[in-house]
Amino acid sequence: DAGVIQSPRHEVTEMGQEVTLRCKPISGHDYLFWYRQTMMRGLELLIYFNNNVPIDDSGMPEDRFSAKMPNASFSTLKIQPSEPRDSAVYFCASSLRNYEQYFGPGTRLTVT
Amino acid sequence: QQQVKQSPQSLIVQKGGISIINCAYENTAFDYFPWYQQFPGKGPALLIAIRPDVSEKKEGRFTISFNKSAKQFSLHIMDSQPGDSATYFCAASISRGRGSTLGRLYFGRGTQLTVWP
Repeated sequence: DAGVIQSPRHEVTEMGQEVTLRCKPISGHDYLFWYRQTMMRGLELLIYFNNNVPIDDSGMPEDRFSAKMPNASFSTLKIQPSEPRDSAVYFCASSLRNYEQYFGPGTRLTVT
Repeated sequence: QQQVKQSPQSLIVQKGGISIINCAYENTAFDYFPWYQQFPGKGPALLIAIRPDVSEKKEGRFTISFNKSAKQFSLHIMDSQPGDSATYFCAASISRGRGSTLGRLYFGRGTQLTVWP
């Protein structure tokens, strides 16, 4: 299996622009998680899905952030409008039932 | 509120030494305690995990010690090697039963381990 796939790997954008991060979970996994990692705050859970349904989005920092999972093999995390403080590494992870989470390689986002 | 507290924040160990990272939790409903290892530029990857029905689990040079009454668990890396230099995260979750938090991992803040050759 190819593992969790994320795109793009790097994104540089200007403040105010819309940013869309993409994730393809491991085939057959029914949980999908979006995390943000910064030096200041460590690994933060933003939102997670079970069978394509959002379960907990309490970690989404603001209304500027939204996430969707239209089917079992694809999810997006959108930031609109982006701000410099959104600069971070964003990880997607997936798991089968509630066992081991497999993380993707991450998307490094820089907002100037 | 940090559900899992991890220490130290950073650790420097000489090659061949023992690295010890500690974590503590409050929620007694947690029943799954994994450790993740993260190298620069990569996503975290599961290293070893334990359930509270055992007090210790060993895989190669990596051992988890678990103290249910104290609500603490630790990672021991024996014969530490330069290739072990990475950031280590402890985590906890509720893996069985029902509830909106089922499957969610609560991570510690991480420990940056450096092993000198």
